[in-house]
Amino acid sequence: AQKVTQAQTEISVVEKEDVTLDCVYETRDTTYYLFWYKQPPSGELVFLIRRNSFDEQNEISGRYSWNFQKSTSSFNFTITASQVVDSAVYFCALSDSYTGTASKLTFGTGTRLQVTL
Amino acid sequence: KAGVTQTPRYLIKTRGQQVTLSCSPISGHRSVSWYQQTPGQGLQFLFEYFSETQRNKGNFPGRFSGRQFSNSRSEMNVSTLELGDSALYLCASSDGLAGVVQYFGPGTRLTVT
Repeated sequence: AQKVTQAQTEISVVEKEDVTLDCVYETRDTTYYLFWYKQPPSGELVFLIRRNSFDEQNEISGRYSWNFQKSTSSFNFTITASQVVDSAVYFCALSDSYTGTASKLTFGTGTRLQVTL
Repeated sequence: KAGVTQTPRYLIKTRGQQVTLSCSPISGHRSVSWYQQTPGQGLQFLFEYFSETQRNKGNFPGRFSGRQFSNSRSEMNVSTLELGDSALYLCASSDGLAGVVQYFGPGTRLTVT
């Protein structure tokens, strides 16, 4: 079965610090998709990035970067020079064809990031 | 394009009642998925509707049901509400292809007293 583990429940950093959020996944499928979402206090899940299992290239988008390593089944997310506006709960999620449609997202438990001045 | 909308945003119901939540997907999207978020269980998949048919279902009791209309709008219904049904209910919209991004609405916060 699919499983996503986010071992860090809560992280607190001071503004401008770099922070890495860990995500480890399990799946029996060879074709799967990984996602990161951000949930600010308003509650809406905001999409950040998607990766498919065939694309191990790391990605950088502004202050955000993602490190996908199939060998360790990890898809970690780094925020460089964190800002107070980055404070939110971050979720890693997995979808694969095992469920039949690859449209079901299996979420990790989330990491609450608190950035203070 | 307008985003995913959900109504109502907040709802208070009494145990034993039933409730209907509504979700309007992004224009052109044919897939609507529903998720329940609670502090104890986290984010859990309820079901997905695609072109008016339930295509996938999570591990929830039959009290949880849904439907999708020809314009892709979806409703979910919970009958005989229990205190444990108090949660944030999120719907997500996509074009339904494998691995595509799902875009979430703001959610409906249901409180059962």
